[in-house]
Amino acid sequence: AQSVTQPDIHITVSEGASLELRCNYSYGATPYLFWYVQSPGQGLQLLLKYFSGDTLVQGIKGFEAEFKRSQSSFNLRKPSVHWSDAAEYFCAVSYSGGGADGLTFGKGTHLIIQP
Amino acid sequence: DAGVIQSPRHEVTEMGQEVTLRCKPISGHDYLFWYRQTMMRGLELLIYFNNNVPIDDSGMPEDRFSAKMPNASFSTLKIQPSEPRDSAVYFCASSHGTSGYSYEQYFGPGTRLTVT
Repeated sequence: AQSVTQPDIHITVSEGASLELRCNYSYGATPYLFWYVQSPGQGLQLLLKYFSGDTLVQGIKGFEAEFKRSQSSFNLRKPSVHWSDAAEYFCAVSYSGGGADGLTFGKGTHLIIQP
Repeated sequence: DAGVIQSPRHEVTEMGQEVTLRCKPISGHDYLFWYRQTMMRGLELLIYFNNNVPIDDSGMPEDRFSAKMPNASFSTLKIQPSEPRDSAVYFCASSHGTSGYSYEQYFGPGTRLTVT
């Protein structure tokens, strides 16, 4: 069965500093990988996705993620965080690309931005 | 498009009562998903539909839970009878599951259910 691990429950970063959120997956075939963001009281918004091709993918809001098959990782990065980036971040995996089957989510990482 | 619409946004009910959560997917999307979010278990897939037909309900926790999709623009998730452990945020999402689209799942704002 597929699974996703986000080892950091909370991360605190100073505004303007760089950010990396970790994600590891367990899956027997080529994964389809996603990062979603959830602001308090809101639904989930897709930041970026990896299906195939270039292992460095760009997303919205200045985020990027790198797929590393050898490490079974899909870490999310941002060079300089803004106070508005404070939110809950979820990594997810699916069999078919996410459109035609359900997503398996990690437990999430809560990002706190210090002024 | 207005996005995925869920109602109610908040529901407080007493143990033993029937609860019905509603979802209107994005027009033209052929897949609809129901997820549950709790502190203990995170985000879990409960059930999903393709063209109004349930495809996988293995995530439905027990027989007290049921979901229907009578047409392409409406789905319900019903809990009868409700229990305090059902307290959670329930999300509905929809997508195009067909090749050529982005496969992105679009999430609604969720329904926060509290069972006392």
